[in-house]
Amino acid sequence: DAGVTQSPTHLIKTRGQHVTLRCSPISGHKSVSWYQQVLGQGPQFIFQYYEKEERGRGNFPDRFSARQFPNYSSELNVNALLLGDSALYLCASSTLVTGGITEAFFGQGTRLTVV
Amino acid sequence: QKEVEQNSGPLSVPEGAIASLNCTYSDRGSQSFFWYRQYSGKSPELIMSIYSNGDKEDGRFTAQLNKASQYVSLLIRDSQPSDSATYLCAAFNYQLIWGAGTKLIIKP
Repeated sequence: DAGVTQSPTHLIKTRGQHVTLRCSPISGHKSVSWYQQVLGQGPQFIFQYYEKEERGRGNFPDRFSARQFPNYSSELNVNALLLGDSALYLCASSTLVTGGITEAFFGQGTRLTVV
Repeated sequence: QKEVEQNSGPLSVPEGAIASLNCTYSDRGSQSFFWYRQYSGKSPELIMSIYSNGDKEDGRFTAQLNKASQYVSLLIRDSQPSDSATYLCAAFNYQLIWGAGTKLIIKP
């Protein structure tokens, strides 16, 4: 049973470029969340999608956008990259249930370096 | 501002001893709580989840929740060097709010 898969695993971009990160959730999971983790800090929430609709958005600029496809996979797009966007980008897959969520399972992450 | 707070550490524990990790949260509406382990350069790995007041045990790990005190803890018995990692606490109320993590070092 495949876990959460993210691609690519590593990426180097220059300032001003844009980047697309991809995530495939665990089979049967309809919710995907994106997090940014800067070295030495906990993950910061960027977006949550459930059934292809945005259900939550963190405190990130409009340069960050995301979408979820009919097969529940998701893309995170970042435009006009800044050096400060260098981080580990994590995708989490979960099944949304009433009154809470089941455990969120993470992909291996995409390490983005902006130079 | 919803927050989850953890002591950043490092917390140093001798091999074989009990490691105790603590976490407090500010949002009283939080319903679910999670402990994740993260090795350097890797993504977080779920260790325990807890939803009700009291203790929940899974092997060498015990999670404790006290909603009145807004406090969550993780005990690791018989600590092993492989337990050395950063432990992240997360609280859920419509979204996951994360602590910054506690670095745990198990000394052989």
